[in-house]
Amino acid sequence: GESVGLHLPTLSVQEGDNSIINCAYSNSASDYFIWYKQESGKGPQFIIDIRSNMDKRQGQRVTVLLNKTVKHLSLQIAATQPGDSAVYFCAEKENQAGTALIFGKGTTLSVSS
Amino acid sequence: DTGVSQDPRHKITKRGQNVTFRCDPISEHNRLYWYRQTLGQGPEFLTYFQNEAQLEKSRLLSDRFSAERPKGSFSTLEIQRTEQGDSAMYLCASSFDRAEQYFGPGTRLTVT
Repeated sequence: GESVGLHLPTLSVQEGDNSIINCAYSNSASDYFIWYKQESGKGPQFIIDIRSNMDKRQGQRVTVLLNKTVKHLSLQIAATQPGDSAVYFCAEKENQAGTALIFGKGTTLSVSS
Repeated sequence: DTGVSQDPRHKITKRGQNVTFRCDPISEHNRLYWYRQTLGQGPEFLTYFQNEAQLEKSRLLSDRFSAERPKGSFSTLEIQRTEQGDSAMYLCASSFDRAEQYFGPGTRLTVT
């Protein structure tokens, strides 16, 4: 079936570096995307979302980029900190009114100081 | 803390036993969702409530699973005759209408 997936299972960066986490999706009907952060022993935490009528959206230290042509989503974290260490998931819905989130497998970000 | 809460946080049970988990959503949220997450995977949708009505169920929700939200507030998820394959983290999330879903800390189930 169609699902959201991630390019790399792990990413290791130094404190202060910028991090880029990638996600490829295959459902062309998806038009709403969300990034979640999950720390060990906790539930996923909402980071940022983007609708398909946008290419870019910025939050605090985070930017999400959407390339609908190649069905690619990325999360950029500026000045990565040790507290950013976690598993990051992208998720999709066919539209914002939809209910079920479809998650990929996740990328584990490790930040060393 | 006004976030989503789940109880218990951990449950160890023997195969064949029944278990019940509870989720208390954020108070003003009318939608409540259950997901299951296995090690190394992203959460998988199980079911969804709008107020007290269960409006959507995944094919993952076998007939051994039942969920309720009797008064449109807290919800329970029951698994009957547990199997080792049921071992997972069970996550609850809530939202106000179509807004973003906020997740609870999860209940980790281990079936021995």
